[in-house]
This record gives sequence, structure tokens and C-alpha cells, in this order.
Amino acid sequence: QVTLRESGPALVKPTQTLTLTCTFSGFSLSTSGVCVNWIRQPPGKALEWLARIDWDDDKYFTASLNSRLTISKDTSRNQVVLTLANVALVDTATYYCARSGAGPSFYFNYWGRGTLVTVSS
Amino acid sequence: EIVLTQSPGTLSLSPGERATLSCWASQSVNNNYLAWYQQKPGQTPRLLIYGASTRATGIPDRFSGSGSGTYFTLTIRRLDPEDSGVYYCQQYGSSGRFGGGTKVEI
Repeated sequence: QVTLRESGPALVKPTQTLTLTCTFSGFSLSTSGVCVNWIRQPPGKALEWLARIDWDDDKYFTASLNSRLTISKDTSRNQVVLTLANVALVDTATYYCARSGAGPSFYFNYWGRGTLVTVSS
Repeated sequence: EIVLTQSPGTLSLSPGERATLSCWASQSVNNNYLAWYQQKPGQTPRLLIYGASTRATGIPDRFSGSGSGTYFTLTIRRLDPEDSGVYYCQQYGSSGRFGGGTKVEI
């Protein structure tokens, strides 16, 4: 059974760096073709794909946030970590991690429940 | 970067009717790498369709996807109140960008 769970601070101050952890089970990020993604959704707004890390450590980022995002994995602990630097009020959102494949399988078939992050001073 | 535009913004229909949701891409979507998701209020998105027309596991055949290139549609037959929610298209030929969503009210 595939599960993913996001964790991190519920509240961060403007200009700080947000660090989120996705802990998953039921699959391995060392298996060829497996990827983990981060997606966010501001309250009442649409989904926004942020980043992806692949089994071979390839990384991809949305263009608009490329300079502020980092993504890494700890295969032994089944975790993926996303950092977002210099947060602002507009970064308030529910942050999801989701599993996908690569190439023709780069759609999100398993999702975590999401974690709400509020940016406020 | 490909931009996805969904229409209409809101669709209000009655049980038993058919819904047709549209998704336009600003450029041709590589290999029809287009997916659809359903998000009910307070819930996580659920994958419905991938590859423009392939239903995900466990998705009833009332849901169907079609289209190619820059225009795609999601059709929901025999609407049920449980189908209420927001539906998103996503292209995955380049990045994983989503459309703005269509809200379906039954």
C-alpha cells in the first residue's frame, strides 16, 4: 500500500526558509522510474506543481520558483525534503507530495493529505 | 512553458445530465500527455484520466477523456451529486503544470 505524508511547520515568517518533509511507504525511490513531486494549493486557488526528484537524483523545478526551491532525497529513510527560500505571504498554501513516474508516467497517482503552511509575521 | 486554460469556470447541472469540461493548451501537448483530476471539497486530488483518454484504476466508465494537440475534454455521463467538486487538467509533456480548474455543481 502506497502512502505519503507531509510534515513541516504550520507557520513561518516572511523571508524565512520553509522546509517540508515527505515520508512515504509502499515504494522505493531507488526503483527505476519512480519520482516524488511537490505540489501546492493556495486557499481557494488552483494546484501548482513545484518540483520533482527522480530515482536517479535528477531534479526538476517550476520555472517561476526555480531560484528559491531545492529538493533532495534520503532513500534509506524513504524521505524527500523540499526547501523554499525567502517565503512571502503568497506562499501560504497547502503543500502536497505525490508520487509519479517519469516521461509518459509523469502524472500523480498517489498523493499525501497535504500540510497547510501559513506565512505570517 | 505551456499554459492550460480550462472552461467553463463553473458548471451547474442536474443529476443524470452530462458534463463536458474543456482544457485548452497554449502549445501542442507532447504525445497527448494530459491528465485530469477530481478534487472534492476538503479532499486531496484524485487522478481520473491520463494519456488524455485512459481511465485510472477504479475510475468508473462514466468518466471519459478525449482530445489531442491543444484541445482536450473530460466528459462525465449520468452525473451524480458525488461528482461535485473541482476538476483540473494537467499536462506532463513538459513540466507538470495544471490548469485553473472547473468547478462542477450538481
